[in-house]
Amino acid sequence: DTGVSQDPRHKITKRGQNVTFRCDPISEHNRLYWYRQTLGQGPEFLTYFQNEAQLEKSRLLSDRFSAERPKGSFSTLEIQRTEQGDSAMYLCASSLVAMGLEGYTFGSGTRLTVV
Amino acid sequence: AQSVSQHNHHVILSEAASLELGCNYSYGGTVNLFWYVQYPGQHLQLLLKYFSGDPLVKGIKGFEAEFIKSKFSFNLRKPSVQWSDTAEYFCAVALNTNAGKSTFGDGTTLTVKP
Repeated sequence: DTGVSQDPRHKITKRGQNVTFRCDPISEHNRLYWYRQTLGQGPEFLTYFQNEAQLEKSRLLSDRFSAERPKGSFSTLEIQRTEQGDSAMYLCASSLVAMGLEGYTFGSGTRLTVV
Repeated sequence: AQSVSQHNHHVILSEAASLELGCNYSYGGTVNLFWYVQYPGQHLQLLLKYFSGDPLVKGIKGFEAEFIKSKFSFNLRKPSVQWSDTAEYFCAVALNTNAGKSTFGDGTTLTVKP
């Protein structure tokens, strides 16, 4: 396993368009997380899954954002009607929660630019 | 809601200098603590973690961190930095309720001059 993969690496879109990002976690990891990071800030929590169940979604996340993990493997994050404020690095991470919390393994991120 | 504060936004050191990066969190319950590092052009990587037991934890590349519960702190240290330690360092906190979500600080950029 080569780690957490995210696709695409970069996405430029026009305001108002919809975008979808994909994350493939480490195969044996049961938790998958989405974070957003802007310049000069730390990663900000968006949502996370345990297997296929979405267990928490940030209250900061508008209804334009939706995430799925249909078979408990890969996940998609969709942003509808993008706005310039959505420009950020979108990070995916995974972890194995067995006996306790473990640290995350991060992907390289998808950089979104809304023009 | 818990928050994480990293006191220094940018630290500049010469090689062989000692390093200490501050991290404070605001939560009174049991926490799990992490330091992540992001080298230039690379993704975030776990440097070390604390769950329980010995409050002094050792991580990769000679880094260590000390959990001081009374001060709500988890400072990162390294006795002698190298040029290759130039990176951005993030402290993170997760509640020890199996909730999974981590709250990150805004990071400290470390520049080590050769």
